[in-house]
Amino acid sequence: DQQVKQNSPSLSVQEGRISILNCDYTNSMFDYFLWYKKYPAEGPTFLISISSIKDKNEDGRFTVFLNKSAKHLSLHIVPSQPGDSAVYFCAATISNDYKLSFGAGTTVTVRA
Amino acid sequence: NAGVMQNPRHLVRRRGQEARLRCSPMKGHSHVYWYRQLPEEGLKFMVYLQKENIIDESGMPKERFSAEFPKEGPSILRIQQVVRGDSAAYFCASSLGLAGPDTQYFGPGTRLTVL
Repeated sequence: DQQVKQNSPSLSVQEGRISILNCDYTNSMFDYFLWYKKYPAEGPTFLISISSIKDKNEDGRFTVFLNKSAKHLSLHIVPSQPGDSAVYFCAATISNDYKLSFGAGTTVTVRA
Repeated sequence: NAGVMQNPRHLVRRRGQEARLRCSPMKGHSHVYWYRQLPEEGLKFMVYLQKENIIDESGMPKERFSAEFPKEGPSILRIQQVVRGDSAAYFCASSLGLAGPDTQYFGPGTRLTVL
């Protein structure tokens, strides 16, 4: 049962523009959400997280938005840079739990 | 480098052999998690360990797979009598074990290929 879904397998964006990655979840118990970035042949790197008590968290060029009623979160990257080309995974968990449930990932390609 | 370390990075085994994957957590982390990623899929939780204790192995296949995290040394994920379907990337993560939100940091993974 896929509790975290990233419905867009890929995204192509021009350098300097905004990248918007979407993620939906089905388990209403999830209250902590994370985004990881992964380059080929490397492990996922933690990018940014958000707790369900917030609806927005910002860190430099990265902002995560959480809409609890819609069970939806998104990651905005502004401006997109060539080094942002990678696979981005959305993950969710219950904060007193430890299992991360991952989406299948979205491959972002930033065009020069 | 104080990050999560995994070795080997690549492992090739023939069907029926054993595979041993090692993970050293980040300095100061006492909680270790193993995840498996099949091609074109997200990571799937396998097992959660603390020193000398398996806390949750609900994501691990009941047969052929085992994990340990001894008092000294790295955590080991062991797969006996490997089959082709075991071919995947295996990632280890570690965390501080904080109450509440506890970010997991991942190693580079071990890519297991079963011939």
